[in-house]
Amino acid sequence: DSGVTQTPKHLITATGQRVTLRCSPRSGDLSVYWYQQSLDQGLQFLIQYYNGEERAKGNILERFSAQQFPDLHSELNLSSLELGDSALYFCASSVGGLAGELFFGEGSRLTVL
Amino acid sequence: DQQVKQNSPSLSVQEGRISILNCDYTNSMFDYFLWYKKYPAEGPTFLISISSIKDKNEDGRFTVFLNKSAKHLSLHIVPSQPGDSAVYFCAASGSGTYKYIFGTGTRLKVLA
Repeated sequence: DSGVTQTPKHLITATGQRVTLRCSPRSGDLSVYWYQQSLDQGLQFLIQYYNGEERAKGNILERFSAQQFPDLHSELNLSSLELGDSALYFCASSVGGLAGELFFGEGSRLTVL
Repeated sequence: DQQVKQNSPSLSVQEGRISILNCDYTNSMFDYFLWYKKYPAEGPTFLISISSIKDKNEDGRFTVFLNKSAKHLSLHIVPSQPGDSAVYFCAASGSGTYKYIFGTGTRLKVLA
């Protein structure tokens, strides 16, 4: 158990819909990262937050947005969903914003039909 | 632009032998590297890391080697065990960047 909690574990929705994925980092971790893993692909970096502020952005679509709340949990919002958005979405946390180990949650599997 | 590459999608090794997983990177600003292991239906778990000030780091059966001039790192697992069968990802990060860039992974199968 990494200490990172992601909900929901599985989500099935239709094209055009909007979903919210939630992540609670490990106790004491200030940084939250979001990654997308499509079928048999690597982990694509989406976005990172540190203590409530956006720190780094990767290949995140404009239809996607995220935030980190004062209690340090984070939400990833995916809107106008397309079939290609079907993927595993991982959240990871770390103590600080720079080098160090990332602790991953078990992921949220999104299926868009 | 794939800055971190794992060119072998899969690898099979006999139990007890050495497993060598390779990773190449293109960005010379990367100075911290990590290896993660991922089982099906689970999140990636941290294995071992190395800073660019070192060329080797060892932890039990796992050793990571870094060749900065070649922009190449490798993970050695000795001896390999069936429980090591998983997908292995290398990741890289650099000073001044908060991103961790992952490779596409290598699926290791250790045969009993």
